Amino acid sequence: DAGVIQSPRHEVTEMGQEVTLRCKPISGHNSLFWYRQTMMRGLELLIYFNNNVPIDDSGMPEDRFSAKMPNASFSTLKIQPSEPRDSAVYFCASTPYGRSQETQYFGPGTRLLVL
Amino acid sequence: AQSVTQPDIHITVSEGASLELRCNYSYGATPYLFWYVQSPGQGLQLLLKYFSGDTLVQGIKGFEAEFKRSQSSFNLRKPSVHWSDAAEYFCAVGGGTSYGKLTFGQGTILTVHP
Repeated sequence: DAGVIQSPRHEVTEMGQEVTLRCKPISGHNSLFWYRQTMMRGLELLIYFNNNVPIDDSGMPEDRFSAKMPNASFSTLKIQPSEPRDSAVYFCASTPYGRSQETQYFGPGTRLLVL
Repeated sequence: AQSVTQPDIHITVSEGASLELRCNYSYGATPYLFWYVQSPGQGLQLLLKYFSGDTLVQGIKGFEAEFKRSQSSFNLRKPSVHWSDAAEYFCAVGGGTSYGKLTFGQGTILTVHP
């Protein structure tokens, strides 16, 4: 299997622009997680889905952030409008069934820089 | 609420020396515990995990960790460090009916001197 796929790998944009990050989980995996990693705040869980349904979005920083999972093979994280403080590495991870003992498989991340 | 503390932000060891990275957790029930490693520019990769049975668990790359319930700890160890082990290490805790949600510690950066 190709693993979790994220695109783009790098994104540079200007403040106020819309940014869309994409994730393709491992085929057959039912749970998907979006994380943000910064030096100051470490690894933060933003939102997670189980069977395409958002379970907990309490980690989404504000209304500028939204996430969707229209089908089992694809998820997006959108920031509109983007701000310099959104600069971070965004990771997507998936697990087979969403059970607590399962391994989360991480993608390579999207490095976002907002100027 | 569950939480994870990794007391050491940065550790430096010489190649060939032993290594222990500390992890303390807070969780109200039996925890599921994980160690992940992140190499520069990469995503996180699982080293090992504990969810039941033997409290000493073996992982990839020669790592092991011991679950000590009385101390709420899950420390990671390696008897002899290689230069390629330089990376950032994350401890995480999960459990219950949380759909696989994990709470991560702040990470420990490991530097290996030749």
